Amino acid sequence: EAGVAQSPRYKIIEKRQSVAFWCNPISGHATLYWYQQILGQGPKLLIQFQNNGVVDDSQLPKDRFSAERLKGVDSTLKIQPAKLEDSAVYLCASSLEALPIHFGPGTRLTVT
Amino acid sequence: AQSVTQPDIHITVSEGASLELRCNYSYGATPYLFWYVQSPGQGLQLLLKYFSGDTLVQGIKGFEAEFKRSQSSFNLRKPSVHWSDAAEYFCAGNTDKLIFGTGTRLQVFP
Repeated sequence: EAGVAQSPRYKIIEKRQSVAFWCNPISGHATLYWYQQILGQGPKLLIQFQNNGVVDDSQLPKDRFSAERLKGVDSTLKIQPAKLEDSAVYLCASSLEALPIHFGPGTRLTVT
Repeated sequence: AQSVTQPDIHITVSEGASLELRCNYSYGATPYLFWYVQSPGQGLQLLLKYFSGDTLVQGIKGFEAEFKRSQSSFNLRKPSVHWSDAAEYFCAGNTDKLIFGTGTRLQVFP
């Protein structure tokens, strides 16, 4: 079984620029998650999709972050404009029904 | 508020020694509980999970964890640590969403 795929693995941008991350979940997994992991902290849920509908986006900074899941499969997370405090690892994860959740390798974002 | 606490930020053990990583949870009801491991530059790998039933759960890589309701704890153990176990370990709990602790960094000396 192929795991959760993410790209790019690393990204360096300047503040106020925009950036997008891509995620392909495990085949057949209806639930997709985006987590933000700041250095020294545990991952924090940004948004959860069930198929192509949003289940929970209560911790997503909607003034600058957006996410979509087209056709209930792949997903894109966008930040526009980026701030220094957005430097973190962005983890995509998926699950078949609810638990357990399987994580991708993450995208390390550095905002300078 | 729901929370998961890992009291130890950093633990150092010698190779071959036993290991126990602490995890405490605060939820209104008993959550589902998980331990994940994260190696440098890698994503999170599930070590083991507790949903219900037997309070001692076995995981991959020789890890086990014991759920203790009276102590609101779910500590991770391994009888003999290998150098390859050096990584960051996260405890997590779930009722309606998965909440992570802040992690414990394990360093293994030869």
